Amino acid sequence: DSGVTQTPKHLITATGQRVTLRCSPRSGDLSVYWYQQSLDQGLQFLIQYYNGEERAKGNILERFSAQQFPDLHSELNLSSLELGDSALYFCASSSGTSRSETQYFGPGTRLLVL
Amino acid sequence: QQQVKQSPQSLIVQKGGISIINCAYENTAFDYFPWYQQFPGKGPALLIAIRPDVSEKKEGRFTISFNKSAKQFSLHIMDSQPGDSATYFCAASMAGTYKYIFGTGTRLKVLA
Repeated sequence: DSGVTQTPKHLITATGQRVTLRCSPRSGDLSVYWYQQSLDQGLQFLIQYYNGEERAKGNILERFSAQQFPDLHSELNLSSLELGDSALYFCASSSGTSRSETQYFGPGTRLLVL
Repeated sequence: QQQVKQSPQSLIVQKGGISIINCAYENTAFDYFPWYQQFPGKGPALLIAIRPDVSEKKEGRFTISFNKSAKQFSLHIMDSQPGDSATYFCAASMAGTYKYIFGTGTRLKVLA
């Protein structure tokens, strides 16, 4: 158990809908990362937050947005969903003080868009 | 330029053998290279990492070899065990950023 929690574990929705994925980092960690893992694209870095502020941005679509709240939990919002958005979405956390520190991954949210 | 190419896609090794997974990159601005291990149904977990100022790093049965001039790095798993059966990802991070680029993954199966 990494100490990172993600909800929900599974999510089934329809094209065009909007969903929110939630992540709670390990106690004491200030940084949250979001990743998308799909069969054809592999593991893709989406975005990173540190203490409520966006710090790094990867291949995140404009239909996707994220935020980190004062209590340090983070939410990833996916809107106008398409079939291709079906994937595993991972959240990871770290203290955020160094690029080379360990990121601890949560168990993921499996999203299926029908 | 932003890609990290990983091979092989899958690998089958006998128990006690050596598993070797290779990664190559183009962008010389990458300066941190971690390897992640992922078991089915779980999130990835950091296994071992290296910076380009060293050519090799060893942690237990896991070794990273780094060839800066060839822009290649590899993971060697010595005395491979069935419990090592997992998917392995190499990654690279660019100096001054927190952005990570991942390889496509290698599914390793170690036969008992």
